[in-house]
Amino acid sequence: SQQGEEDPQALSIQEGENATMNCSYKTSINNLQWYRQNSGRGLVHLILIRSNEREKHSGRLRVTLDTSKKSSSLLITASRAADTASYFCATVSGGSYIPTFGRGTSLIVHP
Amino acid sequence: DGGITQSPKYLFRKEGQNVTLSCEQNLNHDAMYWYRQDPGQGLRLIYYSQIVNDFQKGDIAEGYSVSREKKESFPLTVTSAQKNPTAFYLCASSNSGRGYNEQFFGPGTRLTVL
Repeated sequence: SQQGEEDPQALSIQEGENATMNCSYKTSINNLQWYRQNSGRGLVHLILIRSNEREKHSGRLRVTLDTSKKSSSLLITASRAADTASYFCATVSGGSYIPTFGRGTSLIVHP
Repeated sequence: DGGITQSPKYLFRKEGQNVTLSCEQNLNHDAMYWYRQDPGQGLRLIYYSQIVNDFQKGDIAEGYSVSREKKESFPLTVTSAQKNPTAFYLCASSNSGRGYNEQFFGPGTRLTVL
């Protein structure tokens, strides 16, 4: 079963704009992770945020977590054409250590 | 270079045939995983293994089999019992069985049934 659901399913922006993707989940989590997948490739881990954290940064990436709303957002600032990819959130809950992936957001950044 | 490799990149199978997908890692990770990815459905867990000679079924294990004879290797066999095997298959590994550690993914194998 899929725990996290990303929104929107697809996002199209111009280079230089910011991109925001959201992830909602249903049950309490231990941590939430964001991954990127370029077309036809494997996933690459971006950021992990624990349930007791509210915000994390990595370069142009900013992730927030609101456990009261059971949601997370991924912000990519000053986007580049190379950011074109699918972005997945993955949640780890309860006694399981295995992330459960959502269906992803497809981001297209036009040069 | 450290990493996780999958082979082949593309695989074609006739109906009724079993095929084996290779996954190798040199990251010294204990845990390994197999996922299936279909368009619009994200990743679904097929099998996972925390240690050598031990593995557990995931959400969609029917029609698949695995082995874990070596720490570095976790091959997946798609059997003829799998009714709709055409998909993109991803192998992953992580440092331990604890969910605080990220998963490292291979480049994937695209399987097509002719």
